[in-house]
Amino acid sequence: NAGVTQTPKFQVLKTGQSMTLQCAQDMNHEYMSWYRQDPGMGLRLIHYSVGAGITDQGEVPNGYNVSRSTTEDFPLRLLSAAPSQTSVYFCASSYSGPPTNEQFFGPGTRLTVL
Amino acid sequence: DQQVKQNSPSLSVQEGRISILNCDYTNSMFDYFLWYKKYPAEGPTFLISISSIKDKNEDGRFTVFLNKSAKHLSLHIVPSQPGDSAVYFCAASGGTYKYIFGTGTRLKVLA
Repeated sequence: NAGVTQTPKFQVLKTGQSMTLQCAQDMNHEYMSWYRQDPGMGLRLIHYSVGAGITDQGEVPNGYNVSRSTTEDFPLRLLSAAPSQTSVYFCASSYSGPPTNEQFFGPGTRLTVL
Repeated sequence: DQQVKQNSPSLSVQEGRISILNCDYTNSMFDYFLWYKKYPAEGPTFLISISSIKDKNEDGRFTVFLNKSAKHLSLHIVPSQPGDSAVYFCAASGGTYKYIFGTGTRLKVLA
């Protein structure tokens, strides 16, 4: 099993550009989520999904869109990148989600918005 | 509004001694707590968890204690090893389909 994979590993964008961060898992997990990690702020939940076709907002959803058309994939879209979205992004999955299922994290995508 | 707080950004401990990492929470709906460990340039990995029906859970060198009345949990690592040097995050869930993470504590174990 590859676990949770994320692409790209690094990305530099200019303000106003759009892009999609890819996330895939091969563990047949129902629950998937996106976090951003910023210095002094920890991991903050952006969006999450409890299954294909079902998504919901986390703590910091503004400026991001998600969709979940398959169990395996959970892409994160930045519609118009802003410098405040410079961060490290982590995708995670778990068998059935909270409360008791631990999450498996991908290696992260480091995004810089100029 | 930070619902899960780790008030110590960093901690240094001598190899072989005990490391104690603390976490406080404000939301009384939280009923499950998890600790994750993160090395640089990697994603977090699950370490240990505890349900609110317990006050202690042990796994090898790692023990998590939960004090529900104080809304406080702690992770004890005994004995600490240099390989334990990492950032530790606590996370909480309960009442919603969300895991809420703390800000992290960077542990450095000195050889």
